[in-house]
Amino acid sequence: DQQVKQNSPSLSVQEGRISILNCDYTNSMFDYFLWYKKYPAEGPTFLISISSIKDKNEDGRFTVFLNKSAKHLSLHIVPSQPGDSAVYFCAARQAYSGAGSYQLTFGKGTKLSVIP
Amino acid sequence: KAGVTQTPRYLIKTRGQQVTLSCSPISGHRSVSWYQQTPGQGLQFLFEYFSETQRNKGNFPGRFSGRQFSNSRSEMNVSTLELGDSALYLCASSLGIGGAGETQYFGPGTRLLVL
Repeated sequence: DQQVKQNSPSLSVQEGRISILNCDYTNSMFDYFLWYKKYPAEGPTFLISISSIKDKNEDGRFTVFLNKSAKHLSLHIVPSQPGDSAVYFCAARQAYSGAGSYQLTFGKGTKLSVIP
Repeated sequence: KAGVTQTPRYLIKTRGQQVTLSCSPISGHRSVSWYQQTPGQGLQFLFEYFSETQRNKGNFPGRFSGRQFSNSRSEMNVSTLELGDSALYLCASSLGIGGAGETQYFGPGTRLLVL
């Protein structure tokens, strides 16, 4: 049972345009969400996060939107640059899990290609 | 501040052997989590250690084990390797104190190939 889903395995966008990456979750106990960017042969790099008490968080070109009622979040990248080409993972965490552990549950990723 | 380091970066083993991977967290971070990444399954949680104690464990067989030392460095061990254990093993560190700002930072990973 996949609790975090990224339904688009890939996305191509022209340089300068907006990239929108989507993520859906099923576990209503998730209360903190993160986006990571990953290049081949490297570990994921943290990009941006959002708490469930907010509906938007912005950091430079990156904005994450959270719709709790729909259990949906999205990452917007504006403007998109060729260096943004990577695999983007959505992750979710419960505020409390077992003996205080904060494990992340990941989606399977979306490969973004930004075309110059 | 130095990031999360993992050694070795690449490893080739044969079926039936065992392997030990090492992770040094960011200075001051007390929580270390391990994940397995495979093309078919994505990133899956293995276990998390905090202050030398395993706090949580994912759905992996007992062949996968780990430990954490007093300096927060962590090792994971896989015994009786199987072909399906070929994967990228990622270590992530965090402060481990919870709260809305808890964020995990990943190392570069160890690429394990089992022949």
